[in-house]
Amino acid sequence: DTGVSQNPRHKITKRGQNVTFRCDPISEHNRLYWYRQTLGQGPEFLTYFQNEAQLEKSRLLSDRFSAERPKGSFSTLEIQRTEQGDSAMYLCASSGDLFNTEAFFGQGTRLTVV
Amino acid sequence: DAKTTQPPSMDCAEGRAANLPCNHSTISGNEYVYWYRQIHSQGPQYIIHGLKNNETNEMASLIITEDRKSSTLILPHATLRDTAVYYCIVSALNNNDMRFGAGTRLTVKP
Repeated sequence: DTGVSQNPRHKITKRGQNVTFRCDPISEHNRLYWYRQTLGQGPEFLTYFQNEAQLEKSRLLSDRFSAERPKGSFSTLEIQRTEQGDSAMYLCASSGDLFNTEAFFGQGTRLTVV
Repeated sequence: DAKTTQPPSMDCAEGRAANLPCNHSTISGNEYVYWYRQIHSQGPQYIIHGLKNNETNEMASLIITEDRKSSTLILPHATLRDTAVYYCIVSALNNNDMRFGAGTRLTVKP
């Protein structure tokens, strides 16, 4: 296990299409987080899972966004009817316990909506 | 909204100490000061955190003022690989919603 893995690394899609990203956390990490990062800004929290339960969601997570973590392992983030404003880097992180000192981030999926 | 203020950019000569300041005048009693960094095209990486005492690890030192309203991250001997955006965050220990600001872009020059 070499860390948090995210796929794809890059995605270009036309406005209005649906996209899905995948995150494979570090094995045995029960906590998983999704963040979004736009150019020149720090990451913004989207949602958090503990095992398969989605415990927190940011107001940034509109109705077009949905995240799942079936069986408490990998997670998917789906964006429906993409808009140009959705263009960003989507980051996944996992931790075994506390986020603040033990979270490890993946390299992210860069989404471009044209 | 981020609770910290950091300069947008700083330069440092290779081999010298890099001192990155952070103001957090509204920090609460149960909030820690955390530092992360993000190297280009990678996800953020945890560096260090502290409550009120100064802290040191293999990566850096964290100096927190007595009133806790500001802190400084010190990279004792900066290398070119330390070029990154450094984020100062204040957060309670069990907070799952870490709020990153825009950070400080540190450029280490040869």
